[in-house]
Amino acid sequence: RKEVEQDPGPFNVPEGATVAFNCTYSNSASQSFFWYRQDCRKEPKLLMSVYSSGNEDGRFTAQLNRASQYISLLIRDSKLSDSATYLCVVSTFAGGTSYGKLTFGQGTILTVHP
Amino acid sequence: DAGVTQSPTHLIKTRGQHVTLRCSPISGHKSVSWYQQVLGQGPQFIFQYYEKEERGRGNFPDRFSARQFPNYSSELNVNALLLGDSALYLCASSLAGRAGDRRTEAFFGQGTRLTVV
Repeated sequence: RKEVEQDPGPFNVPEGATVAFNCTYSNSASQSFFWYRQDCRKEPKLLMSVYSSGNEDGRFTAQLNRASQYISLLIRDSKLSDSATYLCVVSTFAGGTSYGKLTFGQGTILTVHP
Repeated sequence: DAGVTQSPTHLIKTRGQHVTLRCSPISGHKSVSWYQQVLGQGPQFIFQYYEKEERGRGNFPDRFSARQFPNYSSELNVNALLLGDSALYLCASSLAGRAGDRRTEAFFGQGTRLTVV
């Protein structure tokens, strides 16, 4: 079983739609959670950090359920510029301190069309 | 402020050759991690360095090695290149912190696209 698994996608949605991505992780030692977006042939860019039960940033809402080891990302009012690959990422800690090891899901491709 | 910078941006090498990739972290960041991303997959962890010490290693062969310098920049070395080493190599920098600490957020360079022929 992969450490981080995401919806395989791809997702094709019209502008203005609401889209949700789901992600599960298997390592219960994982304690920091992130969503990154990656444009074609570019580097991943941090979209949101998820540190508690959930947080919101404009049109984006991330939720975390530690009991179910489940993370989600909701995008409301989709824009053409939201088209990208969305990566679910967890950080696992050794001895209470993270030195930055990230484990990525395989990514979900989102295409927003007019 | 400058972000994470990597060099070179593109590289073509022949099977069996050696390659060195370089990374300069964000000013003040002491943690540098390396990732390999092949087409269609998420990045895979290769190495993590903090304060010039290796703090983690992914499931990669011994042909892969890395080091971190006193100024926190880092090099990734790959020996005896194989066709399967063709990938985007990403460097990320972060501060170190505890669970829930924003200092654990990692920021990536633009990557080095390595093609082995």
